[in-house]
Amino acid sequence: QKEVEQNSGPLSVPEGAIASLNCTYSDRGSQSFFWYRQYSGKSPELIMFIYSNGDKEDGRFTAQLNKASQYVSLLIRDSQPSDSATYLCAVNWDTGRRALTFGSGTRLQVQP
Amino acid sequence: GAGVSQTPSNKVTEKGKYVELRCDPISGHTALYWYRQSLGQGPEFLIYFQGTGAADDSGLPNDRFFAVRPEGSVSTLKIQRTERGDSAVYLCASSSPGLQTQYFGPGTRLLVL
Repeated sequence: QKEVEQNSGPLSVPEGAIASLNCTYSDRGSQSFFWYRQYSGKSPELIMFIYSNGDKEDGRFTAQLNKASQYVSLLIRDSQPSDSATYLCAVNWDTGRRALTFGSGTRLQVQP
Repeated sequence: GAGVSQTPSNKVTEKGKYVELRCDPISGHTALYWYRQSLGQGPEFLIYFQGTGAADDSGLPNDRFFAVRPEGSVSTLKIQRTERGDSAVYLCASSSPGLQTQYFGPGTRLLVL
């Protein structure tokens, strides 16, 4: 059973701080990794994807991938109260299959 | 442009009834996916279409669940003899040809009484 693990939280950070969200996965051969944001009662919204080891930056968001250690993280700089949501990590094990396996998500609370 | 749309937004049914959930993907997206999300959990993959054919239906929980995409655009997820355990949010996603990034619709919240 291939698994994606996330700490459920809540992770509480003050406004303006860096929020660090982590995700580990069980299959070393995994191909691609996605971060989604989900507000309460809404559907997942794609934030970033990363395929290669290292960092990928997009605005206030940075995704970090370490395939040898089987973890992927999301950093949110200058956190805002509007960033308060559940962040879902998703992994594609096999590009031929396309299905994503999601973690249960980490709830982030940004305190004003 | 328009995103993925799903209808109905909410569906309440009784145990044993048949339901159909509809998904209209982003225009030009050839791949379409169905997921199911229970409270406090991440989405769980059900089925993936490439064009009209089901390329991967390994996530369908049993033979009460069936999905079609006859013209390669709109898809319908069909659930027969609904059970209370089928209650969840059913999410549809689509992606562009050759790309893996999946964009989700607003979901259909199904409640089986």
